[in-house]
Amino acid sequence: QKEVEQDPGPLSVPEGAIVSLNCTYSNSAFQYFMWYRQYSRKGPELLMYTYSSGNKEDGRFTAQVDKSSKYISLFIRDSQPSDSATYLCAMSWGNFNKFYFGSGTKLNVKP
Amino acid sequence: NAGVMQNPRHLVRRRGQEARLRCSPMKGHSHVYWYRQLPEEGLKFMVYLQKENIIDESGMPKERFSAEFPKEGPSILRIQQVVRGDSAAYFCASSPDGTGNQPQHFGDGTRLSIL
Repeated sequence: QKEVEQDPGPLSVPEGAIVSLNCTYSNSAFQYFMWYRQYSRKGPELLMYTYSSGNKEDGRFTAQVDKSSKYISLFIRDSQPSDSATYLCAMSWGNFNKFYFGSGTKLNVKP
Repeated sequence: NAGVMQNPRHLVRRRGQEARLRCSPMKGHSHVYWYRQLPEEGLKFMVYLQKENIIDESGMPKERFSAEFPKEGPSILRIQQVVRGDSAAYFCASSPDGTGNQPQHFGDGTRLSIL
């Protein structure tokens, strides 16, 4: 079983839609949860970073962590074609020296 | 550009040659991490280094792979006697410290192709 599971997609939505991206994980020791966006031929770009459970909002992006279910989500409101990319979840425990990544979900927002 | 710099962006090697990948961390960052990404897969941790020290190399293959982060200059990931299976994108990330409240920032990677 992989440490982090993520549906690879692709996920195709019309412009303006609300997008929901999810990851599940198996290690209850994870405390830090991150979402990265990766455009083709580029490096991952940090979008959201949360500690422990709860919600965090930043503009059109909302990250949710449910530690009891070992489940994290990223919501994108009013999606734009420029949001088309691969979204990677990542998580780590306290010492933070090693991230565990999901395989990424490819998102396509159609104009 | 004060971001993480990796070079070369693309590297082609024949089987049996050596590959050297370089990473300069963000200004003020002294912690470097190397990851490997295969097509349609997530990033796999390889090694974590601080200046002149390897902190965690649990993700590094036991043979042919080595990494260093000298006092002066970039971090180097070295792959000796490359094989076809080494073809991948290699990403470097950096952080200002190794504590839990500083996320990692990534470079744009080196794409290694083995002929």
